Amino acid sequence: EPEVTQTPSHQVTQMGQEVILRCVPISNHLYFYWYRQILGQKVEFLVSFYNNEISEKSEIFDDQFSVERPDGSNFTLKIRSTKLEDSAMYFCASSLTGDQPQHFGDGTRLSIL
Amino acid sequence: GNSVTQMEGPVTLSEEAFLTINCTYTATGYPSLFWYVQYPGEGLQLLLKATKADDKGSNKGFEATYRKETTSFHLEKGSVQVSDSAVYFCALLYGGATNKLIFGTGTLLAVQP
Repeated sequence: EPEVTQTPSHQVTQMGQEVILRCVPISNHLYFYWYRQILGQKVEFLVSFYNNEISEKSEIFDDQFSVERPDGSNFTLKIRSTKLEDSAMYFCASSLTGDQPQHFGDGTRLSIL
Repeated sequence: GNSVTQMEGPVTLSEEAFLTINCTYTATGYPSLFWYVQYPGEGLQLLLKATKADDKGSNKGFEATYRKETTSFHLEKGSVQVSDSAVYFCALLYGGATNKLIFGTGTLLAVQP
């Protein structure tokens, strides 16, 4: 069964550094998403992406965050200058259409020191 | 606004016991409802879904019925196994102009042999 893959599984970064989290969505899916889960808290929506542009973003997704689909297979989340509070598990997801179930990757655990 | 409320965990059961995890939602209109499961060290996996009132989603012995009159989507299983130990998330997808999933807080299920 096709799946969403994320790399790396764990990223440790110094505060203030840039970090890029990578995702390969399911190949025929058209909608892409990033969510995050701070330890012990809810899974929170960050951003959705369709047709090479952001279709929706949450209040969390401020100017320090950006997303990109640099080629036909990858979908990346960049944090320009990381803060301690960015430490969380970041999940990528994709769906065939906007109202179809979203399929998640295994996540990247981001630790900011 | 739209929200999902799940029962607090952890839920601890013996093998072969009956499971219910309560989920209620607040939403305008007619959202789609989902249960996702997160096994230890893994990502979110879609367990089942229901897209309209009175639909019953089912998978791997788990069931949930979309009850519009009580705004609920409780997860049930007749006989749990140790391998069902995981965190279970109820989620809604409002659709329309927004494609973001809104998650409950998650309920940890621990099944003892």
